[in-house]
Amino acid sequence: KAGVTQTPRYLIKTRGQQVTLSCSPISGHRSVSWYQQTPGQGLQFLFEYFSETQRNKGNFPGRFSGRQFSNSRSEMNVSTLELGDSALYLCASSRTSGQDTGELFFGEGSRLTVL
Amino acid sequence: AQSVTQPDIHITVSEGASLELRCNYSYGATPYLFWYVQSPGQGLQLLLKYFSGDTLVQGIKGFEAEFKRSQSSFNLRKPSVHWSDAAEYFCAVGPPFIIQGAQKLVFGQGTRLTINP
Repeated sequence: KAGVTQTPRYLIKTRGQQVTLSCSPISGHRSVSWYQQTPGQGLQFLFEYFSETQRNKGNFPGRFSGRQFSNSRSEMNVSTLELGDSALYLCASSRTSGQDTGELFFGEGSRLTVL
Repeated sequence: AQSVTQPDIHITVSEGASLELRCNYSYGATPYLFWYVQSPGQGLQLLLKYFSGDTLVQGIKGFEAEFKRSQSSFNLRKPSVHWSDAAEYFCAVGPPFIIQGAQKLVFGQGTRLTINP
């Protein structure tokens, strides 16, 4: 079956711009979460969505936001980009019942460079 | 506060040698435990997981891990490494229950594994 798909894979923005990243979960997975990965801070939890509702949010400023659609696809948005937002943004989906519940399946990530 | 410590930032082993990557965690209860691997430019792939039961778990690619409650550890092992095992390895913990289907993981800082030919 198809894995978690993230688009775009690479993008370059300049400070002050905004960016939208997209994530399509594995078919049947209703939970989607986002993580930021940087060399200095490692993997940090951004937020997670289930049934179009944000269930948890990490310790990031309000410039970071997200949403989930009725088909479980998710987007995250970063406004007023800063140099420190350069990172690999990883999306993960998980089942909510049955086998493998609680296991996160990750996409290959969207690498954002802010100039 | 929940935390995961991977004491070794970088490990180098020879091909064919055994491997052990250390992971210690701090959590209010016995969490769900995971090991993920990441190759350069790629996402994370699950190697193995511990939810409950047998404390020695087997994963993919010949990896295994042992949960030791008394030491709050979940070390990853492989008896004989291959050059293709060179990657970054992440230990992670998650809550031992699912809140309305959602799951949040706390990751360690990772251990970069280099294989000498």
